[in-house]
Amino acid sequence: GAGVSQSPSNKVTEKGKDVELRCDPISGHTALYWYRQRLGQGLEFLIYFQGNSAPDKSGLPSDRFSAERTGESVSTLTIQRTQQEDSAVYLCASSLDGTRTYEQYFGPGTRLTVT
Amino acid sequence: AQSVTQLGSHVSVSEGALVLLRCNYSSSVPPYLFWYVQYPNQGLQLLLKYTSAATLVKGINGFEAEFKKSETSFHLTKPSAHMSDAAEYFCAVRAQAGTALIFGKGTTLSVSS
Repeated sequence: GAGVSQSPSNKVTEKGKDVELRCDPISGHTALYWYRQRLGQGLEFLIYFQGNSAPDKSGLPSDRFSAERTGESVSTLTIQRTQQEDSAVYLCASSLDGTRTYEQYFGPGTRLTVT
Repeated sequence: AQSVTQLGSHVSVSEGALVLLRCNYSSSVPPYLFWYVQYPNQGLQLLLKYTSAATLVKGINGFEAEFKKSETSFHLTKPSAHMSDAAEYFCAVRAQAGTALIFGKGTTLSVSS
């Protein structure tokens, strides 16, 4: 079946503009995660959705970052008033549920460049 | 709190040589541990995972890792490197349900002929 998909694959934006990144998880996966990967760094957790529960937003770096998920389907990550330090690859992952038994499947990422 | 340390940001081996990528973790509860591989311009792919069953875990592409509680380590090995193994490798820990993975900073593996 289809894996996790993300769009766009690349996004170049000017400082101060808003951007919206999209993630389509694997069908049937109730858990969805957003991570950020800066150059030369590991992945940083941003936000986690599990079914209809309130999302875990503890990893969001500032109030310029927000994310939504409609039911158990697509999710969008929005960055307002982008800054150069927001330049990174944003990765989405999904898993069957939030228990740690199930591994997370990652999308190919969106490479964001803020000029 | 959980954390992961990958020793060596870059490892170079010759084709056919042993691959050893080091990972040490810190966790206040028995952890689940993972190794992911990332090929250029691709997403992360799960290589293997430790979930408190057997301490020696075998994964895809001939990789394996051994969980050593006394050393808080989960090193990744492969007996004979192939050119196609060149990629970035990430170790990750997940200590509790309902939490995200905590990743190390990654190790880039280069394989020369």
